[in-house]
This record gives sequence, structure tokens and C-alpha cells, in this order.
Amino acid sequence: GAGVSQTPSNKVTEKGKYVELRCDPISGHTALYWYRQSLGQGPEFLIYFQGTGAADDSGLPNDRFFAVRPEGSVSTLKIQRTERGDSAVYLCASGGVEPASGELFFGEGSRLTVL
Amino acid sequence: AQKITQTQPGMFVQEKEAVTLDCTYDTSDQSYGLFWYKQPSSGEMIFLIYQGSYDEQNATEGRYSLNFQKARKSANLVISASQLGDSAMYFCAMREGPPGGYNKLIFGAGTRLAVHP
Repeated sequence: GAGVSQTPSNKVTEKGKYVELRCDPISGHTALYWYRQSLGQGPEFLIYFQGTGAADDSGLPNDRFFAVRPEGSVSTLKIQRTERGDSAVYLCASGGVEPASGELFFGEGSRLTVL
Repeated sequence: AQKITQTQPGMFVQEKEAVTLDCTYDTSDQSYGLFWYKQPSSGEMIFLIYQGSYDEQNATEGRYSLNFQKARKSANLVISASQLGDSAMYFCAMREGPPGGYNKLIFGAGTRLAVHP
């Protein structure tokens, strides 16, 4: 597709369960970012991939959160033992060397609700 | 310390009028970039405009312009001739450092703009 694709668009789960959120970036973009947006807030950085490696995971809130990008394209954000406080919209963004501004291109997000 | 401050939680404007959304930032880097994104109710973040710290001219993109005052560390968004479709959340964001492979953005809390007919 032309844009960043995220699945599922909505996920409702119970406290304690495991969830996976998927991001398919724009073809050719080597940089991939995950952000979390809580209700009424701006997006907060979670993790950045350059290619297959996580170059900056300083935003991951704790060790229940993990992300992978094994082939340098699709990424999966994994949340173990979900808590109600994990409820948020998880946004994925990708970027390349163009445009020169370095703008990020965002997907529509995955809304996670933990009951 | 908060890096991006948007002091207006909500703004109202009459259709066809201009509106200014405020943004101040904090950084010790000499090279940085400032962005504005629009987020309609659908949730997607839509890039509007970019200003590089070394750009001498204020950025403009159609009805959007960025009032960049470097000494005051402000990067206000001006929307001219507001339209009903401009009603959305608006986020100011900053990239510290020059553009390149790592373009991590730090976002403000946002301003909700409502355009009235």
C-alpha cells in the first residue's frame, strides 16, 4: 500500500492477556517508530528501528513491552500481561531519507482497550 | 523539562477567519526541526508544515504558515481562511539535531481547534 498500515485497528482484551500490534511501513522506509497516545495527550515515543535493529528503545515503559522488526520492514509491538493503564492508541510511523525535513508518516493507529 | 508546550487546550474560530495556534519549545541543540501535524477524528496524523532551525524564511504551505521566532523559541501555526474541515487536534513537534536517519519527534499536548460556520 501507499501509506503506513496498522492492524488491528481496534483491540479489546482482558487484563493480564498478551497482545500483538502490527505495523507495515511505507515501502523502502528504513526508519520505523512506535508511539503511544493516551486520551487527550500528544503521542509519546516508545521505540525506534533503523533497519532490523532497535536503535532507541528508551521510551518503552517497562519490560512488558517489546518490539521486533526481523526483516527490516514489518514491525510487531508486543505487550505482555496487559494492564488497564496500557489502554491507548498505538501509532506507528515510518521515515526515509526523503523528504529532507525528516517528516514522519503515520498510520491510523491501533486502539487498545484493556478491560 | 517539557520540550514542547502548547498552552491552548482549545481554540474557536469563525469560518473564513485566521487563527494562530501557539507552540513554544525548549532545546539546547543548534540544529533542530519543528513540525505541525493535524489529527482529525479518524486518528491519522497528517503532516502540515516544517521549519528548520537554520531556515531564514518562515515556512508556508498553502493556507498554513509557521511564525518562527527563534530567540523566543516559538513556532506558532497560522491558519488563514479557516474552513470547517480544519476542525481537528493540532500538534506541534520537534526533532532535535539535523535531519537524517534518526528523526525522533517529541510532541506537545495538542490544541483542539473548532471552526464555526
